[in-house]
Amino acid sequence: GAGVSQTPSNKVTEKGKYVELRCDPISGHTALYWYRQSLGQGPEFLIYFQGTGAADDSGLPNDRFFAVRPEGSVSTLKIQRTERGDSAVYLCASSLGGLNTDTQYFGPGTRLTVL
Amino acid sequence: QQPVQSPQAVILREGEDAVINCSSSKALYSVHWYRQKHGEAPVFLMILLKGGEQKGHEKISASFNEKKQQSSLYLTASQLSYSGTYFCGTERIGNQFYFGTGTSLTVIP
Repeated sequence: GAGVSQTPSNKVTEKGKYVELRCDPISGHTALYWYRQSLGQGPEFLIYFQGTGAADDSGLPNDRFFAVRPEGSVSTLKIQRTERGDSAVYLCASSLGGLNTDTQYFGPGTRLTVL
Repeated sequence: QQPVQSPQAVILREGEDAVINCSSSKALYSVHWYRQKHGEAPVFLMILLKGGEQKGHEKISASFNEKKQQSSLYLTASQLSYSGTYFCGTERIGNQFYFGTGTSLTVIP
């Protein structure tokens, strides 16, 4: 596609529910990042994929968070037993190779609100 | 682990210059600069690598001092469109990518 797309754009859920957030990267980009951004803060690194594998998931806050990228393209961030503190904008970015020289292109984000 | 930016906020009149600084406590391999407007995703400005300096736009340039683990973004003759929050981003050992604390820039007529 022309750019990184994310769905849904907004998600409102109740505490304790399960949610899935989807990211469709730029075609041909092997690297994919997930970030979480709270109001007034910079994006916080969650996980990095290179191809189908999670090359670094050290930013995931706890085991309620999980992400997959089964075919090396679309990725899904899954949050179990959501808590009010999970409310944030979840950003996805992709880059050509994931190297120091590669630009990250960001999607518009998914605004998650946990009531 | 998060790079620290200064100033936190700055207000400029059109045509004025500004410098935004980014400092890390860890060794850096590269520094990226992004601008984010309210309600939008971050947009890439430029990347600086060890031993080099890269200019991404005519009136926006940056420097990278790997010894001091610092980078600075220079905005000259600011325009209204420059308003937004500027983030530096650093990639270190491994694959983590960390954004800085952010600098809010407001350009007024």
